[in-house]
This record gives sequence, structure tokens and C-alpha cells, in this order.
Amino acid sequence: GAVVSQHPSRVICKSGTSVKIECRSLDFQATTMFWYRQFPKQSLMLMATSNEGSKATYEQGVEKDKFLINHASLTLSTLTVTSAHPEDSSFYICSASVSGGEWETQYFGPGTRLLVL
Amino acid sequence: QQQVKQSPQSLIVQKGGISIINCAYENTAFDYFPWYQQFPGKGPALLIAIRPDVSEKKEGRFTISFNKSAKQFSLHIMDSQPGDSATYFCAASYPGANNLFFGTGTRLTVIP
Repeated sequence: GAVVSQHPSRVICKSGTSVKIECRSLDFQATTMFWYRQFPKQSLMLMATSNEGSKATYEQGVEKDKFLINHASLTLSTLTVTSAHPEDSSFYICSASVSGGEWETQYFGPGTRLLVL
Repeated sequence: QQQVKQSPQSLIVQKGGISIINCAYENTAFDYFPWYQQFPGKGPALLIAIRPDVSEKKEGRFTISFNKSAKQFSLHIMDSQPGDSATYFCAASYPGANNLFFGTGTRLTVIP
């Protein structure tokens, strides 16, 4: 159980275009979803936290107008990288939080590799 | 600043040996300490987690040791296998934080 999927797994786009990444919790309803960015051989950097039906909370330094997050339902969150530039190329990972049980555990998706040309 | 410090950055262990990865923290409000395993090109997968009311938790070949007074916790992988080669992240969280604070990661290589 507790499977999180992401789509697409990798995407190549031209500079200036927008890219949408989907994150779905497949077998549970997620109270909260998180979006991370990871550079090669580095740790995960939290970009934003989103709760269903409300605005996302962005971490300091993350441009909310560039990284649009929509949390439409308890099983779906989307990250749109607007007007993408080569420096936005990275590995984007979402996670979904499950309440109940012993802790509020985060389960991660498989990630989306974005390459902006 | 880095709320959770992890070491070593990389680790090479012989097959059958014990892999040990250490983490330290300062925030005494932390009450949840998970370890994640990440293979190249994949998202992190929850491996094992502990709360500070116990000093050790074991699941198969993986053991977390927790030292509350020293504010340190470690992951021990017994009988390490080449398939364990991955990057391991420790993390911590506190009530109401909602998000995890990750360590910098340890790249483990288990050689046959």
C-alpha cells in the first residue's frame, strides 16, 4: 500500500515553455502533498507544501509564480513549471503524507526528470 | 542551516559487512526519525523509522540506534549486500511541522 505515482517520469522541453507534472496517491487519500527538488548527488530540497483545496505554502526562495501548485483533490497534486529555463532542469519529486497510525508518514513518488533545452 | 547532519558522505563496504551511517540533530522537539533509501533515478523509499522513546528498532537487516541524550541516531545494515548499494537519507520531524528535515545523504557502495 501507500503508492505514489508521478507523470511523466521524464520530460524534455524548450526554454520558455511550461511543463506540468502530476503526482497521485494511488491507494490512499493524502492529507498533504509535498514537492521537492533534487540536484545530482544532493539532498532533497523542499519547495512547497500543499493541502487539498487550499493554497500551497512555498519555502523561502521558491518563486510561487514560477512553480504553480494545484492540489485539486486528496489524491492529485500538480506542479507546473512556467516559462521553463535551463536552470530549472532538475529531478522533481513529490511525496504524500498519510495521517493515522503511529506517525504521519511521507511516501515518495518515483520522481520526474526535467531537462530544459 | 542544516538541521540534520549526516555522515559519512560516502561509504564502501565489503559484502557481508556492516554499514553504519550516522546522523545528529540539535532540535530537541524532533520526535520522528525515518530513514529513506534512494536508488539512482528513483524517489526515496521509507526504510525504517523510530521515535525517541525507544533506543533501538530492528527490521530485518536494518537497525536504527537512537541516543536521545547525545541527539544522535544511526542506521546499521547488517550482512550488507550489493543490492543495498544506494543513497541513504536520514530525516527528522516534529509535531506540527508537517515536513521532513533531511540529512545530506550517504552514498553506500557494497562491493562483492
